[in-house]
Amino acid sequence: GAVVSQHPSRVICKSGTSVKIECRSLDFQATTMFWYRQFPKQSLMLMATSNEGSKATYEQGVEKDKFLINHASLTLSTLTVTSAHPEDSSFYICSARTRWYQETQYFGPGTRLLVL
Amino acid sequence: KNQVEQSPQSLIILEGKNCTLQCNYTVSPFSNLRWYKQDTGRGPVSLTIMTFSENTKSNGRYTATLDADTKQSSLHITASQLSDSASYICVVSTQYGNKLVFGAGTILRVKS
Repeated sequence: GAVVSQHPSRVICKSGTSVKIECRSLDFQATTMFWYRQFPKQSLMLMATSNEGSKATYEQGVEKDKFLINHASLTLSTLTVTSAHPEDSSFYICSARTRWYQETQYFGPGTRLLVL
Repeated sequence: KNQVEQSPQSLIILEGKNCTLQCNYTVSPFSNLRWYKQDTGRGPVSLTIMTFSENTKSNGRYTATLDADTKQSSLHITASQLSDSASYICVVSTQYGNKLVFGAGTILRVKS
């Protein structure tokens, strides 16, 4: 149980285009989902926290207009990187927290984004 | 400032050998401490979780210890296998579980 999936697993795009990444909780309802970014040989950095049906809370230094987060249902959150640039190339990981086990976050497999 | 520091940064061991990874933290208030294994290009997978009152927790060949007084934790891997090659991340939960503080990880490579 408690499986989180991400799609796509890997995406390559041209600079200036927008990319949408989906995060789904497959067998549980997630009231809260988190988006992380991980650069090579570094640990995960929290970008934003999203609660179902409300606006996401962004960490300091993360541009909310560039990284659009939508958490429209209890099983789906999306991260859209708008007008992507090469410096946005990174590994994006989502996690989901269940209703009943509020302290536990289950991580998705990650999405590798490469902006050319 | 809430911080989690891990050592060593990287480690190479022979298959079958044991190893111990270290984690020191300055996180308050402390909720729990987890060790995660992250394979290259994959998301982290939880190995162990310990609360304030727990000193040790095992999961197969993985044994984690916690000293809440000195704010130190270790992850001991017994009889290492090639598949143990990964990054091991120490994560401390604070703010009553609402915020995670990540260590930079230890990259372990097991070679035959």
